[in-house]
Amino acid sequence: ETGVTQTPRHLVMGMTNKKSLKCEQHLGHNAMYWYKQSAKKPLELMFVYSLEERVENNSVPSRFSPECPNSSHLFLHLHTLQPEDSALYLCASSQDLSTGNYGYTFGSGTRLTVV
Amino acid sequence: AQSVTQLGSHVSVSEGALVLLRCNYSSSVPPYLFWYVQYPNQGLQLLLKYTTGATLVKGINGFEAEFKKSETSFHLTKPSAHMSDAAEYFCAVTLAGGSYIPTFGRGTSLIVHP
Repeated sequence: ETGVTQTPRHLVMGMTNKKSLKCEQHLGHNAMYWYKQSAKKPLELMFVYSLEERVENNSVPSRFSPECPNSSHLFLHLHTLQPEDSALYLCASSQDLSTGNYGYTFGSGTRLTVV
Repeated sequence: AQSVTQLGSHVSVSEGALVLLRCNYSSSVPPYLFWYVQYPNQGLQLLLKYTTGATLVKGINGFEAEFKKSETSFHLTKPSAHMSDAAEYFCAVTLAGGSYIPTFGRGTSLIVHP
């Protein structure tokens, strides 16, 4: 596979569940990102990782917990979510932080519905 | 700090007509500018980018955009719309030598009528 792959594509979870979103990139990139895309709202940057270290956390509630075990994989662990957390969660990567200036490669996203 | 404004949340054109999607930016230093396209149930795909050099940049699928510093604009155009162009389009800006995190516009939905 090439590019950025996100699994699952769709996820329905109850407010008391614990689930994880997975992102994998096969591009040899060193920077990875989580974005939240809600209807009628701008893209929201959630987390930034560079060489497996978190470099930015944009005031995201603690019910979202990221993990980057290596430069190819990024996870978003979810627990005790609220209905307003329902959204499309997008993973992206770039060669490194500075070449984020040259554009990102996005995955297809995970459509999350919290019931 | 930088910001992006996309004029019009929806643009409707007939197949074969000119496509014009507007983007204006605000930045205190030279910007890097991007257009991304998002098809239904997909992530964002980079269409084209301006960093330095020629101000008219060509991208995939016949799209192009022109960086106009005096107008702080980076409008996206395509001479003839196809049904397959129907999608959401996002303009984004980062700063040369500055913040590596892009600021995205709210998006413009392009509707193409037969």
